[in-house]
Amino acid sequence: DGGITQSPKYLFRKEGQNVTLSCEQNLNHDAMYWYRQDPGQGLRLIYYSQIVNDFQKGDIAEGYSVSREKKESFPLTVTSAQKNPTAFYLCASSPLEGQPQHFGDGTRLSIL
Amino acid sequence: DQQVKQNSPSLSVQEGRISILNCDYTNSMFDYFLWYKKYPAEGPTFLISISSIKDKNEDGRFTVFLNKSAKHLSLHIVPSQPGDSAVYFCAASGSGSARQLTFGSGTQLTVLP
Repeated sequence: DGGITQSPKYLFRKEGQNVTLSCEQNLNHDAMYWYRQDPGQGLRLIYYSQIVNDFQKGDIAEGYSVSREKKESFPLTVTSAQKNPTAFYLCASSPLEGQPQHFGDGTRLSIL
Repeated sequence: DQQVKQNSPSLSVQEGRISILNCDYTNSMFDYFLWYKKYPAEGPTFLISISSIKDKNEDGRFTVFLNKSAKHLSLHIVPSQPGDSAVYFCAASGSGSARQLTFGSGTQLTVLP
């Protein structure tokens, strides 16, 4: 059953700690994306990757980092430099850039 | 600067009637438009799309209309069903600096039985 798996669903961390959100896809898609959703707002693009070992900053990349060592995996690290990290994070993939994206079920991050 | 705007945060309709969700955009470089549906605690699901060479695309109960001169698109759901109750996001992309999806803020649709 193909899809995108984000883990964990809920994540709690203390202020000042880095935290890594997992995203794995078995759809054989080249492009992967990370979005952030805040209440009453649309999805905002954090980072995207069109191909393995390459990624680009989105609109709100400050305080975040990513890696794309494997086609299937695109982990997102929320660093202590991110001023307001509490949010709902969504990972997505698409066969190629510009095609409809498939989304995971998200990770809700809360900073205590 | 919101390039994709959904001005109605919420919409309620009676089961069996038509739901019309609206979306406006400002970036002339957008040429591909999508609608996504999102249930609570889940990721958005792709619903329907339209490219700028068309003004209408239909898929079952869902139809998207595009008015390029007005920079406006709408999603029609008919007949509406209680299971359609969700948040609907419109999104747009284009070429060059606009090639990544830009999302609207969403409209919460509630279909009343």
